[in-house]
Amino acid sequence: NFMLTQPHSVSESPGKTVTISCTGSSGSVASHYVQWYQQRPGSAPTTVIYEDNQRPSGVPDRFSGSIDRSSNSASLTISGLKTEDEADYYCQSYGDSILIFGGGTKLTVL
Amino acid sequence: QVQLQESGPGLVTPSETLSLTCTVSGGSITNYYWSWVRQPPGKGLEWIGYIFYTGNTSYNPSLKSRVTMSVDTSKNQFSLKLSSVTAADTAVYYCARGRSGWYRDLDYWGQGTLVTVSS
Repeated sequence: NFMLTQPHSVSESPGKTVTISCTGSSGSVASHYVQWYQQRPGSAPTTVIYEDNQRPSGVPDRFSGSIDRSSNSASLTISGLKTEDEADYYCQSYGDSILIFGGGTKLTVL
Repeated sequence: QVQLQESGPGLVTPSETLSLTCTVSGGSITNYYWSWVRQPPGKGLEWIGYIFYTGNTSYNPSLKSRVTMSVDTSKNQFSLKLSSVTAADTAVYYCARGRSGWYRDLDYWGQGTLVTVSS
């Protein structure tokens, strides 16, 4: 079964840049689009990146997504960190008519 | 603005069937895929399955034997039934829409509803 693996947690200071990885267990992450969702405590997830590197309207350009075929992974990069970016982040992909979520990464901005 | 709202019992007895409905407002249910996603307390997101407005479905293989989804286009609603529930099914259940008529990612989500399985 295809799985997406994320680091459990990351932390960084305000104003800095952080990158969260999402590694595929098999096959190629590049074969299907990867999405990234932000979830603040007590709220539903919202999309910050879709189709590997596209930002929905209203998401600041501090958020960017990329694919690294050599490591079979996707990455979410947040630059100019703000305290409001502190949240859980989930990567998500799909295949064979099913959706798969990564385990989530807790971002702490301190 | 599309809005989704989950509704259903917040408490279900073990071995019984969990039933939830998602009502879509601000847009039509037609031409879209509609998913259910759950999140156990303190844990990550788990996709349960989707239903297309025509009634075509796909379920998470780990839950497939217990899941049934249906759609009522006249009411702009779709529903989830999960049978033989246990405490492990306690979670916040979200309904969500597939973006741009595809199933592959989700653009609008309901606020979620907590379902507790307990006697």
